[in-house]
Amino acid sequence: GENVEQHPSTLSVQEGDSAVIKCTYSDSASNYFPWYKQELGKRPQLIIDIRSNVGEKKDQRIAVTLNKTAKHFSLHITETQPEDSAVYFCAAYSGAGSYQLTFGKGTKLSVIP
Amino acid sequence: NAGVTQTPKFQVLKTGQSMTLQCAQDMNHNSMYWYRQDPGMGLRLIYYSASEGTTDKGEVPNGYNVSRLNKREFSLRLESAAPSQTSVYFCASSWTGPNEKLFFGSGTQLSVL
Repeated sequence: GENVEQHPSTLSVQEGDSAVIKCTYSDSASNYFPWYKQELGKRPQLIIDIRSNVGEKKDQRIAVTLNKTAKHFSLHITETQPEDSAVYFCAAYSGAGSYQLTFGKGTKLSVIP
Repeated sequence: NAGVTQTPKFQVLKTGQSMTLQCAQDMNHNSMYWYRQDPGMGLRLIYYSASEGTTDKGEVPNGYNVSRLNKREFSLRLESAAPSQTSVYFCASSWTGPNEKLFFGSGTQLSVL
């Protein structure tokens, strides 16, 4: 089955700096890659996703890049703010009749004011 | 429009006891899911229901059963709780599958003593 590795597990940045979280996946058939944000004690919420026919996607301060050849994708947050502090999860979906969305183990991002 | 509603929010069980976690969505979604979240483990799929009338196992189904009562409701049952089932449980739903936005419930914190 699919295996998703996420790095780093914790990340601290100064407010205003950029943050980058990286994920690798094992199944070359995977074609959908979402990122979820989970604030402390809250439910996960989708912040951005990308499909395999696209190399990059942006939404204001957030961007995701996908390298299918290397089987990795990354989340980029620019001009970080304290409210960006949360745990971020990447995931990969390979389809082929399966409903298995495989999540990474998460990255705890702390933005220091 | 409440989205995905889960009950209860907290539960403490003794080993061997049984309980049912309830989940309902009001978005007319076809697909529903149960995930468990353990520290440092990300989200792992327990069971899913691709559409009304169908259920299937996910990554970690042992010790659980599910019922898709109707299009709105998807319940998770622990027949004989074990300490290894101590976790946070999230119900989620989506229109047609996991390759699109998942809407999560607020979670159930379950402790098995």
